[in-house]
Amino acid sequence: GAGVSQSPSNKVTEKGKDVELRCDPISGHTALYWYRQSLGQGLEFLIYFQGNSAPDKSGLPSDRFSAERTGGSVSTLTIQRTQQEDSAVYLCASSPPFRTSGTTGELFFGEGSRLTVL
Amino acid sequence: LAKTTQPISMDSYEGQEVNITCSHNNIATNDYITWYQQFPSQGPRFIIQGYKTKVTNEVASLFIPADRKSSTLSLPRVSLSDTAVYYCLVGDPGFKTIFGAGTRLFVKA
Repeated sequence: GAGVSQSPSNKVTEKGKDVELRCDPISGHTALYWYRQSLGQGLEFLIYFQGNSAPDKSGLPSDRFSAERTGGSVSTLTIQRTQQEDSAVYLCASSPPFRTSGTTGELFFGEGSRLTVL
Repeated sequence: LAKTTQPISMDSYEGQEVNITCSHNNIATNDYITWYQQFPSQGPRFIIQGYKTKVTNEVASLFIPADRKSSTLSLPRVSLSDTAVYYCLVGDPGFKTIFGAGTRLFVKA
């Protein structure tokens, strides 16, 4: 597709279960970002990738959260043993290379995955 | 990463010009200033980006003084559909990108 694709769009799970959220970035975009947004709040940075490497994982809330990116494309955010406080919209964004492409390096966001932990 | 400060909320009326100022005192040489707009239940959307002086596109203008320690997003003749949260970001594009709390703009009829 032309845009960033995230799946599932909605996920309801029980406390203690593991969940996987998937992000398909725009083809050719080297950077990929994960954010979390609770209702009425701003975007909380979780992690970003340059290619398959994650230079900064400092935003991951706990060791229950992990993310990987393979082939410089698809990324998966995994939350183990979910808690109710994990309920939020998880947003993925990708951006083209900035200095080599003459673009603004702007972030293109997906529609998000809404996670509800009961 | 440069810390940004912007008003929490602003009110305006349709047809007025809205200016939202962002302070970023510790901006670095490689940093650009980028503004995003977010509507409810959607991801943020790029509005405009600049490095210095003035940038204008079809939806907004961005004014950056010579010291680059602040910037002002100008929205001409706002409409009800401009009600949204506006984020000011300062950083090196393509690297770690942090969103602040943003400014909630309410446009009234």
